[in-house]
Amino acid sequence: QKEVEQNSGPLSVPEGAIASLNCTYSDRVSQSFFWYRQYSGKSPELIMSIYSNGDKEDGRFTAQLNKASQYVSLLIRDSQPSDSATYLCAVESGTYKYIFGTGTRLKVLA
Amino acid sequence: KAGVTQTPRYLIKTRGQQVTLSCSPISGHRSVSWYQQTPGQGLQFLFEYFSETQRNKGNFPGRFSGRQFSNSRSEMNVSTLELGDSALYLCASSRGTPLTDTQYFGPGTRLTVL
Repeated sequence: QKEVEQNSGPLSVPEGAIASLNCTYSDRVSQSFFWYRQYSGKSPELIMSIYSNGDKEDGRFTAQLNKASQYVSLLIRDSQPSDSATYLCAVESGTYKYIFGTGTRLKVLA
Repeated sequence: KAGVTQTPRYLIKTRGQQVTLSCSPISGHRSVSWYQQTPGQGLQFLFEYFSETQRNKGNFPGRFSGRQFSNSRSEMNVSTLELGDSALYLCASSRGTPLTDTQYFGPGTRLTVL
């Protein structure tokens, strides 16, 4: 069974700090990686996708991928209380099939 | 552009009954995936449909089935409901192209089995 592992948290960071969220995956052939944000009682919404090794930046968000280490991370700079949510890592595992981690709960303290 | 819609939003059923959930994808999207979300297991992949064909499925019993219509709308059915089927069922739509596809989720259907 292919797996995606995330620390469940909660990860608490002060407002304005950098939040670092991590994800490891077991399927070595995975090519596509995604970060979703899910507010309590809402459905997941896509924040970032990344397909190549290295960093990808979008506003305050940076996704980092290291396929050799099977590791994906999401950095949130200048964290805001509105960033408080559960962050889900998703990995493509087989064509048209995505495996999700159980999510990391982030709390940004004002 | 309208988002993914799911009906009904809430359902209460009893053990042994069956249930049908509906999902309408974003216009132009031909792929619909279904997920079950529970507090303990997180988001688990059920199956994916594209142009009325199931292209992949997760590790769920045969009581869980789905189909897709020619207009890309999809339904999933759960027969002989069990207490453990209580969950949030999410569908997600995408264009269906491999590797760089992006999934957009609907609001979900909350199923409670008594």
